[in-house]
Amino acid sequence: QVQVQESGPGLVKPSETLSLTCTVSGGPISNFYWSWFRQPAGKRLEWIGRVYTGGSTDYNPSLKSRVTMSVDTSKNQFFLSLTSVTAADTAMFYCARDSIEALDVFDIWGPGTMVTVSS
Amino acid sequence: EILMTQSPATLSVSPGERATLSCRASQSVRSNLAWYQQKPGQPPRLLIYGASTRATGIPARFSGSGSGTEFTLTISSLQSEDFAVYCCHQYNNWPGTFGQGTKVEIK
Repeated sequence: QVQVQESGPGLVKPSETLSLTCTVSGGPISNFYWSWFRQPAGKRLEWIGRVYTGGSTDYNPSLKSRVTMSVDTSKNQFFLSLTSVTAADTAMFYCARDSIEALDVFDIWGPGTMVTVSS
Repeated sequence: EILMTQSPATLSVSPGERATLSCRASQSVRSNLAWYQQKPGQPPRLLIYGASTRATGIPARFSGSGSGTEFTLTISSLQSEDFAVYCCHQYNNWPGTFGQGTKVEIK
């Protein structure tokens, strides 16, 4: 059974770069889209973007200037980098995989990792 | 960006009763609409995609309907494990966007 798990620092200083890793286990990382989401406390989910294992990416236009996603198939991991963070970037971050049943819906989610932006 | 609006914000329902949740899109998303369940401290769980197709393993008491801009999630007989937040998600236009959620609470 495929599982994904986010990891990274829980605290990032303003203006610095947030870097998260998502590790895939129990199944292949190849030939899937892998996505990142965030959810500030009490607010709606936001799709940050996705990376395909071939390396192509799609980013939410609202974050595009600050986001980079990449994948390392040899390690079964994919990555999120968000630059120039502010307090508004404080959120629970999730990684997820497209469902086999339908593209752009997500049935494999990590438990989430809370990231706080504060000095 | 398509705005997804859910109503009501909170729905108080007794166990065994039916719950009906609504989701409206600011423009047509055809049938590219999914529903997720989210419990405190947990990630979303996919319930419905394609507006009306249950995801694998989802009980038949969950059903979805609608197309275009108006969608409904119905839980036919609420079980204790169904009390949670439900959000809709359009994936017709990039980037996909989510509703703010409807909390289903015990009456």
